Amino acid sequence: DGGITQSPKYLFRKEGQNVTLSCEQNLNHDAMYWYRQDPGQGLRLIYYSQIVNDFQKGDIAEGYSVSREKKESFPLTVTSAQKNPTAFYLCASSTRLATNEKLFFGSGTQLSVL
Amino acid sequence: DAKTTQPPSMDCAEGRAANLPCNHSTISGNEYVYWYRQIHSQGPQYIIHGLKNNETNEMASLIITEDRKSSTLILPHATLRDTAVYYCIVRVAGSGGYQKVTFGTGTKLQVIP
Repeated sequence: DGGITQSPKYLFRKEGQNVTLSCEQNLNHDAMYWYRQDPGQGLRLIYYSQIVNDFQKGDIAEGYSVSREKKESFPLTVTSAQKNPTAFYLCASSTRLATNEKLFFGSGTQLSVL
Repeated sequence: DAKTTQPPSMDCAEGRAANLPCNHSTISGNEYVYWYRQIHSQGPQYIIHGLKNNETNEMASLIITEDRKSSTLILPHATLRDTAVYYCIVRVAGSGGYQKVTFGTGTKLQVIP
């Protein structure tokens, strides 16, 4: 079945540690996105990529980094510079060029700080 | 920032129609209106989208005003499983000619037995 897979479902980070959240899609989509969601809040865009080897900062990119070496993969690293990393992280993908494209979401990763 | 405005919460009796409004007064001529919903601790799910005309699918109907400055998502017969946060979004021009997709805080719909 086609879809987006995020792993792990739950992740714990120690102070000063970098952690990487995985996002893989087999939908042959060009565009991929990372969102952060805090309790009771909407989704905020961290980074997005519309083509391999290129990505753009979203609204809250500080303390995060991404790479897009392969079309199907868009990992997100939460660095030690992100002082408040506890949140629900969602990855999404879509076709790139069509303006009537739908977003497909993964099931999310809950990151907590120990 | 999101270009849409939605009420933070709404209640609807089970079996009745749920009408969720959204304002998007700065929408451009080629921007689609999309609706997604998110059940607690899951990824958002696509519901429907439209440009100018009203749209209907197996999940919902979308009514867009003639001036396209607002829209309404209609769930014709709400069930308890429709309890979720509903997001109305339009695309925002990002840097480098890209389009980024931003979400607001949505409307929390509570379906009451």
